[in-house]
Amino acid sequence: GAVVSQHPSRVICKSGTSVKIECRSLDFQATTMFWYRQFPKQSLMLMATSNEGSKATYEQGVEKDKFLINHASLTLSTLTVTSAHPEDSSFYICSADRGAHEQYFGPGTRLTVT
Amino acid sequence: GQQVMQIPQYQHVQEGEDFTTYCNSSTTLSNIQWYKQRPGGHPVFLIQLVKSGEVKKQKRLTFQFGEAKKNSSLHITATQTTDVGTYFCAGPRGSQGNLIFGKGTKLSVKP
Repeated sequence: GAVVSQHPSRVICKSGTSVKIECRSLDFQATTMFWYRQFPKQSLMLMATSNEGSKATYEQGVEKDKFLINHASLTLSTLTVTSAHPEDSSFYICSADRGAHEQYFGPGTRLTVT
Repeated sequence: GQQVMQIPQYQHVQEGEDFTTYCNSSTTLSNIQWYKQRPGGHPVFLIQLVKSGEVKKQKRLTFQFGEAKKNSSLHITATQTTDVGTYFCAGPRGSQGNLIFGKGTKLSVKP
């Protein structure tokens, strides 16, 4: 099956610092990857669509300067939360499109900003 | 804008009882997908339905796509404790493969 990894799985950082989260498709190439945010007991909210070799497409209300996305290769996309604040604490999940628009999700990264 | 609604939000059943979650889209969908998220885990792709009126089965799970391609359902027969989790439906939005997710139905199963 399609495997997507995410690193780190958990991170605690101080307010004002930046955190980078990596999303890798391990056994397939993904032209498109997606970044979601999930608050406790809520659904997934799409933050942005990451396309290899081009700029990410951000959803309305998501600050592109705060959530920097880079899709440098067909197997790697990164999300950098810049100048993190406590309200950025959340569960961040990436997914990769293996084709036919089936998305395979990474295990998620739980970010806690103190 | 496009919305995907899912009911019920929560469902508590006794082990062995059946369970159904319903998904409705405000727009016609080219396909609908179902995902399961275990507590503390990440969403896992279950199935994709494409054809109008399509019915697919995976062991005790039965997935249906409505004739108008605007609604779908997931039915679990004789639930087991391993079925516990939140079930999300999702429909495509746009051409990049973006998905819009329903709010999910959280299933708990009492042994």
